[in-house]
Amino acid sequence: EVQLLESGGGLEQPGGTLRLSCAASGFTFSTYGMNWVRQAPGKGLEWVSGISGGGSAPYYADSVKGRFTISRDNSKNMLYLQMNSLRTDDTAIYYCAKKLGPGFYGLDYWGQGTLVTVSS
Amino acid sequence: IQLTQSPSSLSASVGDRVTITCRASQGISSYLAWYQQKPGKAPKLLIYAASTLQSGVPSRFSGSGSGTDFTLTISSLQPEDFATYYCQQFNSNPWTFGQGTKVEIK
Repeated sequence: EVQLLESGGGLEQPGGTLRLSCAASGFTFSTYGMNWVRQAPGKGLEWVSGISGGGSAPYYADSVKGRFTISRDNSKNMLYLQMNSLRTDDTAIYYCAKKLGPGFYGLDYWGQGTLVTVSS
Repeated sequence: IQLTQSPSSLSASVGDRVTITCRASQGISSYLAWYQQKPGKAPKLLIYAASTLQSGVPSRFSGSGSGTDFTLTISSLQPEDFATYYCQQFNSNPWTFGQGTKVEIK
């Protein structure tokens, strides 16, 4: 059974840093691209970042480019999101999501999310 | 690439046929997925490649379209289908979502 479990959320001040983690199990982690998607309170979904199975070619939304860094450790089946220079509009639930297999495009498994609150 | 869903919300009854539209600001071939999200829950993948039903998703859901115009159709709305639906494009980064369509009970 595929499981994704996010952690690392919490309350942080503007300008601060947080590191989100996503522990994956139930599939061959290194084969699949992984993504972070966020949802501000009462708002829609926003794709944040993605990374290929091998860890190359990370991509970012313009809203986080230069502030957030996605990475993965395939030996530990872990996905990370390093969040620097946090802003109040980064407040959201952050989901990690697994991409369908190579050549297919959709996010087929999602974690339960971790809440990030940026406030002074 | 911007995705515009219409309508933003709709009211429908059980048994109704419901159609949601997603329009892309430029051509995205068939690189489109649809998701369902219920309150307090993570999204669920319904359809990928514009028209391929994800495993385990009821056949009353269907998707169509290519290029810039796409539709999600629920052939006979069931009580468990009341939710918010999102499209997402994978043609080019960033992989943007539509703003969502909330399907409510009439």
